[in-house]
Amino acid sequence: EPEVTQTPSHQVTQMGQEVILRCVPISNHLYFYWYRQILGQKVEFLVSFYNNEISEKSEIFDDQFSVERPDGSNFTLKIRSTKLEDSAMYFCASRDQGEWTEAFFGQGTRLTVV
Amino acid sequence: ELKVEQNPLFLSMQEGKNYTIYCNYSTTSDRLYWYRQDPGKSLESLFVLLSNGAVKQEGRLMASLDTKARLSTLHITAAVHDLSATYFCVLSGYALNFGKGTSLLVTP
Repeated sequence: EPEVTQTPSHQVTQMGQEVILRCVPISNHLYFYWYRQILGQKVEFLVSFYNNEISEKSEIFDDQFSVERPDGSNFTLKIRSTKLEDSAMYFCASRDQGEWTEAFFGQGTRLTVV
Repeated sequence: ELKVEQNPLFLSMQEGKNYTIYCNYSTTSDRLYWYRQDPGKSLESLFVLLSNGAVKQEGRLMASLDTKARLSTLHITAAVHDLSATYFCVLSGYALNFGKGTSLLVTP
């Protein structure tokens, strides 16, 4: 069964360092998303991506964040200079076109900033 | 501002009992989802609800949608331990807008 794959599963980084979180969406999907979930809290929208460009982004997605689809399969989230408060589980999701489609989420990357 | 409000946020129930989780939302949307999350795991889609009066059932879970009241419900019938998880009501706008989630614990 097709699935969204995220790597790494856990990343520990020092404050101020850059991190890149990687995602391979389901191959025929057209919409891609990044969400984050601080431990035990709400799932927060970061950014959506369609047709090779950002379609929407939240207030959280400031200049420290960027997304890319460098080739036909990968979808990456970069945090340029990590802060302690960036520690969270980051989920990638993808969705096909169509009325009945749901978003499929990856297993997440747990980012710990120390 | 789009708001998705779930209640209760925490629910402890005995096996075999029935209960309903409520989800109120603030604006019209073309679709509403229910997702399940086990501790430390990803988000699994349970239901997609599109139209007013939609009802979907899967095992012991049944979801419904009333677009006029802007209300969706997730009904649990004869709960079993395996249903223990967090359940999110999610409204589709320009992105998926999550409620805070209902943490369900089913006890013997």
